[in-house]
Amino acid sequence: GESVGLHLPTLSVQEGDNSIINCAYSNSASDYFIWYKQESGKGPQFIIDIRSNMDKRQGQRVTVLLNKTVKHLSLQIAATQPGDSAVYFCAERGGSYIPTFGRGTSLIVHP
Amino acid sequence: DTAVSQTPKYLVTQMGNDKSIKCEQNLGHDTMYWYKQDSKKFLKIMFSYNNKELIINETVPNRFSPKSPDKAHLNLHINSLELGDSAVYFCASSPGHRDEQYFGPGTRLTVT
Repeated sequence: GESVGLHLPTLSVQEGDNSIINCAYSNSASDYFIWYKQESGKGPQFIIDIRSNMDKRQGQRVTVLLNKTVKHLSLQIAATQPGDSAVYFCAERGGSYIPTFGRGTSLIVHP
Repeated sequence: DTAVSQTPKYLVTQMGNDKSIKCEQNLGHDTMYWYKQDSKKFLKIMFSYNNKELIINETVPNRFSPKSPDKAHLNLHINSLELGDSAVYFCASSPGHRDEQYFGPGTRLTVT
C-alpha cells in the first residue's frame, strides 16, 4: 500500500480480510497523530488518534500502531467491509500549530 | 444538525472573478481552518484562526483572504480567480489548535 510518485497509493483487499495502511512521518518532534477517512465526495472524517507516549491504540475494528524509532504509523482495519473503501490520511502535529497531512492511501474493498 | 457546513457546495466561475466561500461550525470549537485539496487528493492547509485570530497563514497568494466575524464562522474570499485555483476547498474546526479536526463537506471550485 505504499509508493512514492504522482499517483495515490492504492491498497486492494477482499471483503473480510484485514487491511494495513502505512504512513511515514518526518518530524521527530511530532507528538500527536491522527488517522482520517475520506469517502468520495465528502470531507475527511476522524477515525482514531494516538499520542507519542503510546505505541498502540485500539478502536472499533481499527488499531493504530506508532513506531517512533523509525517514524512510522500504521492503521489496521479488521474484517474490512465495502463501506471501508475510501482514501485514508495520516496527520501529525508537532510543536507548531501546523497539522501536516500525509499523501493519502486509497483503500478498495472487493466484495 | 450539520457540525461544519460550507456554502456553496459547487462554484463554477470565470477567471478574474471574485468569489467567497462561507463556513460555519456549531460545535463550539475555538479553532477553524481552510484547506485546499488538489486533484491528487493532497490536502494542504491554507489558514487557521483561533478565537478569531489568525494563527496559521501558509504560503498562499494574497488574493486569498480569510475573514472570521466570530469564532463560529470562517469565510474565504478569493480575488482575481485563476485556473490553478480550481480545487476542492475544505473548512474544518477543532476544539483547540492541537486537537483532531472536523471537516466540512467541501466546496468544489471550478475556474474556467
